[in-house]
Amino acid sequence: DQQVKQNSPSLSVQEGRISILNCDYTNSMFDYFLWYKKYPAEGPTFLISISSIKDKNEDGRFTVFLNKSAKHLSLHIVPSQPGDSAVYFCAAGDNYGQNFVFGPGTRLSVLP
Amino acid sequence: NAGVTQTPKFQVLKTGQSMTLQCAQDMNHEYMSWYRQDPGMGLRLIHYSVGAGITDQGEVPNGYNVSRSTTEDFPLRLLSAAPSQTSVYFCASSYGGVTGDEQFFGPGTRLTVL
Repeated sequence: DQQVKQNSPSLSVQEGRISILNCDYTNSMFDYFLWYKKYPAEGPTFLISISSIKDKNEDGRFTVFLNKSAKHLSLHIVPSQPGDSAVYFCAAGDNYGQNFVFGPGTRLSVLP
Repeated sequence: NAGVTQTPKFQVLKTGQSMTLQCAQDMNHEYMSWYRQDPGMGLRLIHYSVGAGITDQGEVPNGYNVSRSTTEDFPLRLLSAAPSQTSVYFCASSYGGVTGDEQFFGPGTRLTVL
């Protein structure tokens, strides 16, 4: 059973609008969450992270929200740009190690 | 800095053959790991290392061996390739000293086992 779920395999958004990517997890021991972006034929690159002591973290156009009681986090991209078109992975880990569990990814397409 | 490098980029093997996927990093990172990416499965951890001489198993270690004789290199060995090992393999590294430290990924090796 997947511990980290991204239930939307794909998402299409118009340029300039908001993109919202969702992630759910089942392990209550997870305390740290990261988002990675992946372009075709490249390795994933780190985007933004959040720890359980926060419910929001912002970096430019990217904001991650964490709802621990619902075991849910989301990544908001505002405004969306065509260069944001990529696969986005959510990853979760506990506070004692470096090993993270990755979700299956959501393919975001930002249409001009 | 070259970051994390992986060779080869592509490889085709026959069932039963063995090979080594190379991974090197020049950032003096203590933590290194190998993942495989399969459609609909995300990235799954195969093996990891918290420093030279120390390795441990991840979620899907069967059929793979690793060693870490230097800080820079972390090769992944397929002992006897099987079609189920057809996948894209990513090596990653991080400082490892801070919980949740971001990992830097290599470009990947696409392996096909016939």
